[in-house]
Amino acid sequence: EPEVTQTPSHQVTQMGQEVILRCVPISNHLYFYWYRQILGQKVEFLVSFYNNEISEKSEIFDDQFSVERPDGSNFTLKIRSTKLEDSAMYFCASSEEGGAKNIQYFGAGTRLSVL
Amino acid sequence: QKEVEQDPGPLSVPEGAIVSLNCTYSNSAFQYFMWYRQYSRKGPELLMYTYSSGNKEDGRFTAQVDKSSKYISLFIRDSQPSDSATYLCAMSAVRAGSYQLTFGKGTKLSVIP
Repeated sequence: EPEVTQTPSHQVTQMGQEVILRCVPISNHLYFYWYRQILGQKVEFLVSFYNNEISEKSEIFDDQFSVERPDGSNFTLKIRSTKLEDSAMYFCASSEEGGAKNIQYFGAGTRLSVL
Repeated sequence: QKEVEQDPGPLSVPEGAIVSLNCTYSNSAFQYFMWYRQYSRKGPELLMYTYSSGNKEDGRFTAQVDKSSKYISLFIRDSQPSDSATYLCAMSAVRAGSYQLTFGKGTKLSVIP
């Protein structure tokens, strides 16, 4: 069964460092998303991406964050200068369509620990 | 008022019991409703997807939506220890270009053998 894959599973970094989280969405999907989940809290939307551009972003997704689809298979989330409060699980998701058929499938996540 | 409210539990039931999980929401724009299951330190796994009021059944799982009351439920029949997980409700609005999911906090379920 096709699945969303994320690497690495766990990333440890020092405050102020840049990190890149990587995702390979399901191959025929066209819409891509990043969410985060701080320990004990809700899953929160960060950004959606379609047709090589951001289609929507939340207030959390400030100038420290960026997304990119560098090739036909990968989708990345970059955090430019990590803060302690960026420590969370980051989930990538993808969907085949938007609108009514917006059924999103999630990867297993990357646990980001900022020290 | 929070957009999506979900009782975090924890909820503990004996094997074979019927489980009822619920969410309420305040935003009338939400038209599509999902239930995800999340095992510890794993990603959300889609269980059910529905967009109309009423019931939708899939095996031991039934999703129920009442848009007039802004209330959704997930019922699990004949619960098994393998059902032990956190269950997340999620919903999305009908707005062009807006496909984000808004999640509840999740209900942690334990099914005791």
